Amino acid sequence: AQTVTQSQPEMSVQEAETVTLSCTYDTSESDYYLFWYKQPPSRQMILVIRQEAYKQQNATENRFSVNFQKAAKSFSLKISDSQLGDAAMYFCAYRSMEYGNKLVFGAGTILRVKS
Amino acid sequence: SQTIHQWPATLVQPVGSPLSLECTVEGTSNPNLYWYRQAAGRGLQLLFYSVGIGQISSEVPQNLSASRPQDRQFILSSKKLLLSDSGFYLCAWRDTLNTEAFFGQGTRLTVV
Repeated sequence: AQTVTQSQPEMSVQEAETVTLSCTYDTSESDYYLFWYKQPPSRQMILVIRQEAYKQQNATENRFSVNFQKAAKSFSLKISDSQLGDAAMYFCAYRSMEYGNKLVFGAGTILRVKS
Repeated sequence: SQTIHQWPATLVQPVGSPLSLECTVEGTSNPNLYWYRQAAGRGLQLLFYSVGIGQISSEVPQNLSASRPQDRQFILSSKKLLLSDSGFYLCAWRDTLNTEAFFGQGTRLTVV
């Protein structure tokens, strides 16, 4: 079964600085999708960035980028120029390409942004 | 455009009472549907997922069940709630036109 591990329960970053959130996963599949979602205090789940496993190029969305290491099964999120609005719970997620397209999440990392 | 409706937003139920949470998606056909539970300050635990009417996959055998009576309707149920069923329940959907899943607003369930 696929599992997602986020080893950092909490992280802090100074406003305008850069922070990296870690994520590792376990799977026997060769093709899949990986995501980072953000959950602010409103608890609405917001997609931050996605990565397709068959693409070697790391995904980038404005200040958000990932470091996807397929062999190491690692998928970290880098937030540059951190803003107060980035403060939230961040979840790493894995979606299977097999029947059912199971979507599993890690335990989350609380990101605090200091002004 | 596609939208997802999840209700109720908040629910307080006594131990031993039944539960029914409903999730409905509009603007798409044959979506994958998901139910998650989130304990306070914790991650999202996948409970059930479905690829079509009547097709339910269970991830966590427990006090809950799910049904999909219509293509875009996903229901989470319990016959007798336990205190441990308290939490924040999220419904999500995805279709073939989208890579990612989209989430409802969630239901905060408190079992007393």
